[in-house]
Amino acid sequence: NAGVTQTPKFQVLKTGQSMTLQCAQDMNHEYMSWYRQDPGMGLRLIHYSVGAGITDQGEVPNGYNVSRSTTEDFPLRLLSAAPSQTSVYFCASSTPETQYFGPGTRLLVL
Amino acid sequence: GNSVTQMEGPVTLSEEAFLTINCTYTATGYPSLFWYVQYPGEGLQLLLKATKADDKGSNKGFEATYRKETTSFHLEKGSVQVSDSAVYFCARNSGGSNYKLTFGKGTLLTVNP
Repeated sequence: NAGVTQTPKFQVLKTGQSMTLQCAQDMNHEYMSWYRQDPGMGLRLIHYSVGAGITDQGEVPNGYNVSRSTTEDFPLRLLSAAPSQTSVYFCASSTPETQYFGPGTRLLVL
Repeated sequence: GNSVTQMEGPVTLSEEAFLTINCTYTATGYPSLFWYVQYPGEGLQLLLKATKADDKGSNKGFEATYRKETTSFHLEKGSVQVSDSAVYFCARNSGGSNYKLTFGKGTLLTVNP
């Protein structure tokens, strides 16, 4: 049981490039979410999904896309990266009682 | 709206000192309250939680009591260890669902031997 896994651990992009941050969970949780963590800002919700085929926006969705084709996977896409998207990104998978976080992806946009 | 305000850090203590990290929340609805801990280089882990007024959450020597009258959920530990050095986040749920959390900004705790 690996829990929540995220890849890559670290990525450097140039402005305008696109990339996908991967997130997978093996706990059969319906609910998954993406947060970004910035210094002095705590964690802010980007997008979330309540099940395969269902996604919705969180607090800071602009510049990010998501899809949920399977229960296990919830990728986060940056279509045209901007320096303001430099951050640490956490994926979470949830039961009704508890959220389980992945180890994070550190993204630097130059 | 929903918000969480927690004590700004960093906090530096000596081993065996008493720890308090303050947290207050907006009194919208009847939220569940959480403390998460993030050790260096890792993701967040649930430390403790409380789901209703006067509940006390506890884990690993940490405690926090849900105080509705003061809208607070302060984290305490009687004797900290070097291994407690981490960032601590207070959080509340939104809309009655534990799926959507609002986090405080985090408090960095450093414990020196």
